[in-house]
Amino acid sequence: GAGVSQSPSNKVTEKGKDVELRCDPISGHTALYWYRQSLGQGLEFLIYFQGNSAPDKSGLPSDRFSAERTGGSVSTLTIQRTQQEDSAVYLCASSTSSGTTIEQYFGPGTRLTVT
Amino acid sequence: GQQVMQIPQYQHVQEGEDFTTYCNSSTTLSNIQWYKQRPGGHPVFLIQLVKSGEVKKQKRLTFQFGEAKKNSSLHITATQTTDVGTYFCAGHDYKLSFGAGTTVTVRA
Repeated sequence: GAGVSQSPSNKVTEKGKDVELRCDPISGHTALYWYRQSLGQGLEFLIYFQGNSAPDKSGLPSDRFSAERTGGSVSTLTIQRTQQEDSAVYLCASSTSSGTTIEQYFGPGTRLTVT
Repeated sequence: GQQVMQIPQYQHVQEGEDFTTYCNSSTTLSNIQWYKQRPGGHPVFLIQLVKSGEVKKQKRLTFQFGEAKKNSSLHITATQTTDVGTYFCAGHDYKLSFGAGTTVTVRA
């Protein structure tokens, strides 16, 4: 079946511009995570959506970052007034929230380059 | 909040040798998961451990969950070049929190 998809796969933007990154989770998955991964680094947690609960935004690095999840499915991560330090791969992952094994399925990521 | 720490950050291994990477959580976990990210790829789920003291094997990989459910280890025997990548542990309490990963390189 279809996995997690993300778009665009690559985004180059000028410093100061806004960008929107999209994530389509696996159908039926109630949990959705956004992570940021800089070159050669680990996964930096950004935000977590679980069903209809209020999202856990504790990982968002600044108020320039926001995310929403419409209808419990597609999610958009928005970065306003992009800075060069925002350059990274942004990964989305989804999972079920019940069952014996709750593994995360990752999308291929969006590589963001801020020039 | 929950913190998950992994050591070492980098592991350089001679092909054929064994090594272990360790994961420690600041809180008791309901379960722990391990993921592998190949260079240029995205993390892929390997295994989940749930029970205190649980040990699971996948071919040359042995995963262990500590008795207190606050630590875990991944031991790889007879390392091969296909083992190259970054191994992440992820601890689950109310959400999944990833460690920083152990990046493995192999000398042929």
